[in-house]
Amino acid sequence: AQSVSQHNHHVILSEAASLELGCNYSYGGTVNLFWYVQYPGQHLQLLLKYFSGDPLVKGIKGFEAEFIKSKFSFNLRKPSVQWSDTAEYFCAVHPTSGTYKYIFGTGTRLKVLA
Amino acid sequence: SQTIHQWPATLVQPVGSPLSLECTVEGTSNPNLYWYRQAAGRGLQLLFYSVGIGQISSEVPQNLSASRPQDRQFILSSKKLLLSDSGFYLCAWSVPGDLRYNEQFFGPGTRLTVL
Repeated sequence: AQSVSQHNHHVILSEAASLELGCNYSYGGTVNLFWYVQYPGQHLQLLLKYFSGDPLVKGIKGFEAEFIKSKFSFNLRKPSVQWSDTAEYFCAVHPTSGTYKYIFGTGTRLKVLA
Repeated sequence: SQTIHQWPATLVQPVGSPLSLECTVEGTSNPNLYWYRQAAGRGLQLLFYSVGIGQISSEVPQNLSASRPQDRQFILSSKKLLLSDSGFYLCAWSVPGDLRYNEQFFGPGTRLTVL
């Protein structure tokens, strides 16, 4: 079955520390990849997406993610986190071959200490 | 621009009571619509999706049902709520058409507590 794994469930960092959140998926075909973020009390919103082309994608607020097809991974990175990055982050996969379904990971709660 | 609405924002219901959650999308036609349940530590669980009026696909067998009476309206229902139905319910939409270039847009959610 298709699945998405986020191995870090809770991450605590100090401001200015670097961030990397792991995301691995299981699906053999072509996929679209997403990172969504949910700030406290706000809607789930898109952080960045990968459809095709350059495997290094840049999103809002200084986030980026790299798609490594051979590793089925789409890790999220930010060189220097801020207190305002405290949120829950979700990785999602959408197989492009004839399905409308999106598969989400279990999420990673990030807390950034000021 | 497109917007998505969900109501109510919060709901407290007794076990065995019925449920109706509503989701409405504005500013687009024939959207793909989705219902998710978000539980702590379990991510987003897809419950139902719809690609057109009257078309509903169920992902998880349970005592919930969904309907799409109008193009941009998606309703989540239950005849008798269980304690395990408590959670945060999210509605989402995506643009119809080429599945290779598609993303989802989420509503504000409904927090349901079943007592």
